[in-house]
Amino acid sequence: DQQVKQNSPSLSVQEGRISILNCDYTNSMFDYFLWYKKYPAEGPTFLISISSIKDKNEDGRFTVFLNKSAKHLSLHIVPSQPGDSAVYFCAASARDSNYQLIWGAGTKLIIKP
Amino acid sequence: DGGITQSPKYLFRKEGQNVTLSCEQNLNHDAMYWYRQDPGQGLRLIYYSQIVNDFQKGDIAEGYSVSREKKESFPLTVTSAQKNPTAFYLCASSYQSGEQYFGPGTRLTVT
Repeated sequence: DQQVKQNSPSLSVQEGRISILNCDYTNSMFDYFLWYKKYPAEGPTFLISISSIKDKNEDGRFTVFLNKSAKHLSLHIVPSQPGDSAVYFCAASARDSNYQLIWGAGTKLIIKP
Repeated sequence: DGGITQSPKYLFRKEGQNVTLSCEQNLNHDAMYWYRQDPGQGLRLIYYSQIVNDFQKGDIAEGYSVSREKKESFPLTVTSAQKNPTAFYLCASSYQSGEQYFGPGTRLTVT
């Protein structure tokens, strides 16, 4: 049973436009959510996170939104740049699980020129 | 420079041989993790360690073993009992409840 789901395997966006990546979760005990970016044959790099006490966190071009009632979070990238082309992973953790990360399957973002 | 190193980047082994993947960190993180990534899938946790001389099985520990004799080091052994060892292996570290930082990964191919 997948506790963290990224239902879109891939997403194609025009350079300069907004990219929106989505993530759904089922475990209401999750209290911390993270987004990672991964290039092929490299380790993931941390992008941005959000605690369950917030509904929005912004860092430069990246904003994460959390809708707890819908158990849904999204990552907005604006404006999208060619270097944003990568696989994006959503991950979630809970205090009562020692903050072990549960990962989504990833969404491949392709930025078109 | 602080970070996590994994070596080698690419590793080839014959079926039936054990192989040990290296992971070292100088971030002074308490916790370390081993993940496996297969095409089209998310990261799956193999083993993790929250303190020296202690480690726990993750979701897919069968066929793997680890040790944590030093805070900086968390080597993973892929044994001959692992049925599908060919994969991309990622090591990560973190403070107990913070973001995990990843090494560059080791691609293991077993033929």
